[in-house]
Amino acid sequence: QKEVEQNSGPLSVPEGAIASLNCTYSDRVSQSFFWYRQYSGKSPELIMSIYSNGDKEDGRFTAQLNKASQYVSLLIRDSQPSDSATYLCAAGGSQGNLIFGKGTKLSVKP
Amino acid sequence: AAGVIQSPRHLIKEKRETATLKCYPIPRHDTVYWYQQGPGQDPQFLISFYEKMQSDKGSIPDRFSAQQFSDYHSELNMSSLELGDSALYFCASSLINLGSYNEQFFGPGTRLTVL
Repeated sequence: QKEVEQNSGPLSVPEGAIASLNCTYSDRVSQSFFWYRQYSGKSPELIMSIYSNGDKEDGRFTAQLNKASQYVSLLIRDSQPSDSATYLCAAGGSQGNLIFGKGTKLSVKP
Repeated sequence: AAGVIQSPRHLIKEKRETATLKCYPIPRHDTVYWYQQGPGQDPQFLISFYEKMQSDKGSIPDRFSAQQFSDYHSELNMSSLELGDSALYFCASSLINLGSYNEQFFGPGTRLTVL
């Protein structure tokens, strides 16, 4: 069964620090990976997508992909209290659907 | 920019009743996905449509059916509702093309409560 694993947290970091979120996946066929941010009771919001090995940066966010290790990570620099949310890692399935991890709850303390 | 629209936003039903959820994808997107998210759970894929044809099926109960219409909007029909069907139902849309890695954008969701 194809799985995406995340540390459920909660992960607590002080304001201004770097938050590091990690994810592993089981299906070597997966080619695309996504990070979604979800506030309680709200819908998942796409914040990063990555398809190639290496780093991809967008503002305060950096996604890292290592296909050999089947590992995806998200770094949030200069964390803000507004970044407090659940972060969902997702892998693209063979038919286009997303396979989600159970999410990591991030808390940024002022 | 236009986003995915879902209606209704909230729905309360009794056991054994039926419910219909609607989804209007982002304009020019050709693929619609339905996900179910229970309390404290990650979203679970139910079903998807590409160009009005069912493209993939996930953990959708036989009591549920869905379709995509000529204007690309989609409806999820749920019958013989059970207490366990209470959840957030999200619709997501994407544009599939060569070189695209299928970024999916989610609607605000419909919160279904079955009493």
